[in-house]
Amino acid sequence: QVQLKESGPGLVQPSQTLSLTCTVSGLSLTSNSVSWIRQPPGKGLEWMGVIWNNGGTDYNSAIKSRLSISRDTSKSQVFLKMNSLQTEDTAMYFCVTLKLGSYFDYWGQGVMVTVSS
Amino acid sequence: DIQMTQTPSSMPASLGERVTISCRASQGISNYLNWYQQKPDGTIKPLIYYTSNLQSGVPSRFSGSGSGTDYSLTISSLEPEDFAMYYCQQYDGSPYTFGTGTKLELK
Repeated sequence: QVQLKESGPGLVQPSQTLSLTCTVSGLSLTSNSVSWIRQPPGKGLEWMGVIWNNGGTDYNSAIKSRLSISRDTSKSQVFLKMNSLQTEDTAMYFCVTLKLGSYFDYWGQGVMVTVSS
Repeated sequence: DIQMTQTPSSMPASLGERVTISCRASQGISNYLNWYQQKPDGTIKPLIYYTSNLQSGVPSRFSGSGSGTDYSLTISSLEPEDFAMYYCQQYDGSPYTFGTGTKLELK
């Protein structure tokens, strides 16, 4: 069955860089696109960006200057890097498959990231 | 960015009740609208895609409708496992944006 599992540091200091990994099983990254979505505590969902099945990327313009999404297809992993973190970046970060460029079908359990000194 | 506004933000309801959640887009989105359910433990699953198509495995008590800027999710008869948060999401324009959320609570 399809599984996505996020991993990364739970705590990041302000102004530092966040690095997260999404390990995918049950499907191929060359046939499926993967997005990152985040959710601040008690708030709604924000789409961050996508790495398409062909390796191209698109980002939310609100955070584009700080964000990079990449992948290693041999390890079936997708990576998120975001720099210049601030307290408002504190959130649960989800990796999610994006089907046909339209809806988010398989969701990871999420990883909580707190930005604090 | 296309803004998505859901009403109500919270809804007390009873088992067996029929409920409808509304989602309004800041501009027409041509039925490019999905619905998701988030359980209290944080897990999220898709319910409906392209306005009215049920995701595989989703019970038939869930249905979606709408057009233009106005969309809705209806649950015909609430079951205990339906008490959760619900989000709409548009994919007519980038960035993908989600609704403000509706919390369905047990009355």
